[in-house]
Amino acid sequence: EAQVTQNPRYLITVTGKKLTVTCSQNMNHEYMSWYRQDPGLGLRQIYYSMNVEVTDKGDVPEGYKVSRKEKRNFPLILESPSPNQTSLYFCASSLGPANYEQYFGPGTRLTVT
Amino acid sequence: DAKTTQPPSMDCAEGRAANLPCNHSTISGNEYVYWYRQIHSQGPQYIIHGLKNNETNEMASLIITEDRKSSTLILPHATLRDTAVYYCIVRSFQGAQKLVFGQGTRLTINP
Repeated sequence: EAQVTQNPRYLITVTGKKLTVTCSQNMNHEYMSWYRQDPGLGLRQIYYSMNVEVTDKGDVPEGYKVSRKEKRNFPLILESPSPNQTSLYFCASSLGPANYEQYFGPGTRLTVT
Repeated sequence: DAKTTQPPSMDCAEGRAANLPCNHSTISGNEYVYWYRQIHSQGPQYIIHGLKNNETNEMASLIITEDRKSSTLILPHATLRDTAVYYCIVRSFQGAQKLVFGQGTRLTINP
């Protein structure tokens, strides 16, 4: 089954404790991206990747890192999480840039205390 | 990318057709109309997209007016599982590498 998977689905952590949210897709998609969703602010792009080893900032990249060492994986790294990074995070992938149909993962709900 | 306007909420009876409008009066010639939906905090789901002609797939139909300034997403036989927030997005293939989700329309299907 074609899908985007994210782990963990739920995470409660403390300020400053490094964490990684994994994202994996099995559709051989070149384009992957991360979004965060907050009440009243909608979905906002954090980072995206056009292909292996090619990443770029989205609208809200501060406090986040990404890597794309393999085509199927696009982990989101929070080196020193802060409470304002409490949010619902979605990974997405598509054949090409954002104007192709995007497949979204199930989401990761992160709480930073 | 053109801005879209959608009603904040709509109701529809189960089994009836749900018609969701979207205004995009500043759309340009190379911009497509996309529809996604999000069911209660799940990942957004692609529904359909079109440029000029009406489009239909297994999920829905998309009707675009001749002047392309508005469109309607039609769910022909709405079920309770269609309760979701529906987003209308206008994009060109040369646009930025992201989807810009507005506030969407919260569609509630009533039994």
